[in-house]
Amino acid sequence: DSGVTQTPKHLITATGQRVTLRCSPRSGDLSVYWYQQSLDQGLQFLIQYYNGEERAKGNILERFSAQQFPDLHSELNLSSLELGDSALYFCASSVGGTGGYEQYFGPGTRLTVT
Amino acid sequence: AQSVTQLDSQVPVFEEAPVELRCNYSSSVSVYLFWYVQYPNQGLQLLLKYLSGSTLVKGINGFEAEFNKSQTSFHLRKPSVHISDTAEYFCAVSEPNGGSQGNLIFGKGTKLSVKP
Repeated sequence: DSGVTQTPKHLITATGQRVTLRCSPRSGDLSVYWYQQSLDQGLQFLIQYYNGEERAKGNILERFSAQQFPDLHSELNLSSLELGDSALYFCASSVGGTGGYEQYFGPGTRLTVT
Repeated sequence: AQSVTQLDSQVPVFEEAPVELRCNYSSSVSVYLFWYVQYPNQGLQLLLKYLSGSTLVKGINGFEAEFNKSQTSFHLRKPSVHISDTAEYFCAVSEPNGGSQGNLIFGKGTKLSVKP
């Protein structure tokens, strides 16, 4: 158990819909990362927050957004869903916000868009 | 831009045999290097990391990796594998300190299949 929790574990929804994925980091970790894992693209970095502020953006679509709340949990919002958004979405957390810190990964949320 | 290449998508091996999973990276700056393991239906777990110092890094579960700057490689090795090592292994890089972000850039993964 990494100490990072993600809900829900599975999500099935239809094209055009909007969903919210939730992540609670390990106690004491200030940085949260979101990654997408798909068969086509592999593991891709989406976005990073550090202590409530956006730190870095990767290959995140404009239809996707995220935020980190004062209690440090984070939410990833996916809207106008397309079939191609079906993937495993991971949240990871670390103590620091720069390279070199171990990232602890949650179990992931499997999103299926039908 | 940084990128990571894992040269083998699948590696089958017999139990108790040695294994090497290959990883090459490209970057215009020095980087930190990581190996993560993903067991079926689970998240990723850190096996080992190279930040600086000795180029031979030892990790959990008997794995080790060697950083080779001239060849821009970070190959993962284990002298004797077990059935329980069957999993997917990911090589990753991140910017060193001085960079403003800590995100990982992953390779495509290598599926290690250990057969009895």
